[in-house]
Amino acid sequence: AQSVTQLDSHVSVSEGTPVLLRCNYSSSYSPSLFWYVQHPNKGLQLLLKYTSAATLVKGINGFEAEFKKSETSFHLTKPSAHMSDAAEYFCVVTLYSSASKIIFGSGTRLSIRP
Amino acid sequence: EAGVAQSPRYKIIEKRQSVAFWCNPISGHATLYWYQQILGQGPKLLIQFQNNGVVDDSQLPKDRFSAERLKGVDSTLKIQPAKLEDSAVYLCASSGVLSGNTIYFGEGSWLTVV
Repeated sequence: AQSVTQLDSHVSVSEGTPVLLRCNYSSSYSPSLFWYVQHPNKGLQLLLKYTSAATLVKGINGFEAEFKKSETSFHLTKPSAHMSDAAEYFCVVTLYSSASKIIFGSGTRLSIRP
Repeated sequence: EAGVAQSPRYKIIEKRQSVAFWCNPISGHATLYWYQQILGQGPKLLIQFQNNGVVDDSQLPKDRFSAERLKGVDSTLKIQPAKLEDSAVYLCASSGVLSGNTIYFGEGSWLTVV
């Protein structure tokens, strides 16, 4: 069975400090992994994706994530948080057989303290 | 590249009334998804189309929800009659081989049932 676990429902950091949002997955197959961001009253925007190429993936707005197969993790990081990063973040795994199967994590709300 | 278009963006209706949401996916995307996102939760898949065929509608409340994608392009999601618990954001998304099967989301249609 496939699943995605976001280990923190809420993360709060000070502006200018590093951000770490944790995601673990379970999959019998080689998955594709994504991080999406959702700002208040907005749709989901793709931050970055891993599709079996380089294990360190760089995304938009200074975010990056590292795929670690041995740890079944795909944690999202950013060296220095900005106030505009405050949003909900979703880790997503997809499996491609005859049709796409998408599994969402429960989301992590990121708050930024001035 | 134009994104996923949805309308209307906002809708307020009384319970037992009906409502319809429209989605136009990214050009060339064969797969179209409708998600329901209740405030504070992650998106829940309602229905997935591959071209004009239904791939997964296991979580669609078929007694009140219906969706169609007649020509394999745009899609309509209908709720009739609406209940208070249907208040949510309805997200349309699409994916296709040419975009690496990455899922792209629209801005969402916000439904309030009073």
